[in-house]
Amino acid sequence: DTEVTQTPKHLVMGMTNKKSLKCEQHMGHRAMYWYKQKAKKPPELMFVYSYEKLSINESVPSRFSPECPNSSLLNLHLHALQPEDSALYLCASSQDWLAGLEQFFGPGTRLTVL
Amino acid sequence: AQSVTQLDSQVPVFEEAPVELRCNYSSSVSVYLFWYVQYPNQGLQLLLKYLSGSTLVESINGFEAEFNKSQTSFHLRKPSVHISDTAEYFCAVASGTGFQKLVFGTGTRLLVSP
Repeated sequence: DTEVTQTPKHLVMGMTNKKSLKCEQHMGHRAMYWYKQKAKKPPELMFVYSYEKLSINESVPSRFSPECPNSSLLNLHLHALQPEDSALYLCASSQDWLAGLEQFFGPGTRLTVL
Repeated sequence: AQSVTQLDSQVPVFEEAPVELRCNYSSSVSVYLFWYVQYPNQGLQLLLKYLSGSTLVESINGFEAEFNKSQTSFHLRKPSVHISDTAEYFCAVASGTGFQKLVFGTGTRLLVSP
């Protein structure tokens, strides 16, 4: 199984809502990532978890809160988002958090903030 | 800081024609180089990667890329494209010094027409 799954595929939320994005992998990978991708732009790294511990936070606003409940799951909790947060949110995983290792990407959650 | 330049935002070609997508990177240390492809409404898929060894790397679907250290380039080529190759192509670099943080180029949209 070389698949990273993400739910939901689409999400529309208001600025006062609280929602969560979910990501799952069963490849035994120990590094997991959240990226944000705006239309016609490259993915931008948001967070890196290595061995279930937050290793990188790329100065992401606190209205985005990541969580790694176990080695297979990665969540992104959303609260009080702004319209400019609308984007495709991609999850990825790799065997370990070392340079040169392939990152496997999920299909993404397309988020629209009204 | 590392950076990746993809000068061509869009490359239109006819089916069965050859294509080259350009990628240049800036880094003073050893690097790992990747090409990812993103089909519409999907996540990113690894196309090929250079880690070390032979400077010419190939993918299973006919793409190849050549690492040129003196020109700091990693151009992607295919001798004969198909309609199904229409997608966004991202070049990415990771530093060869420990933890992996992928830096993506701005992407090149390959448009193959009949």
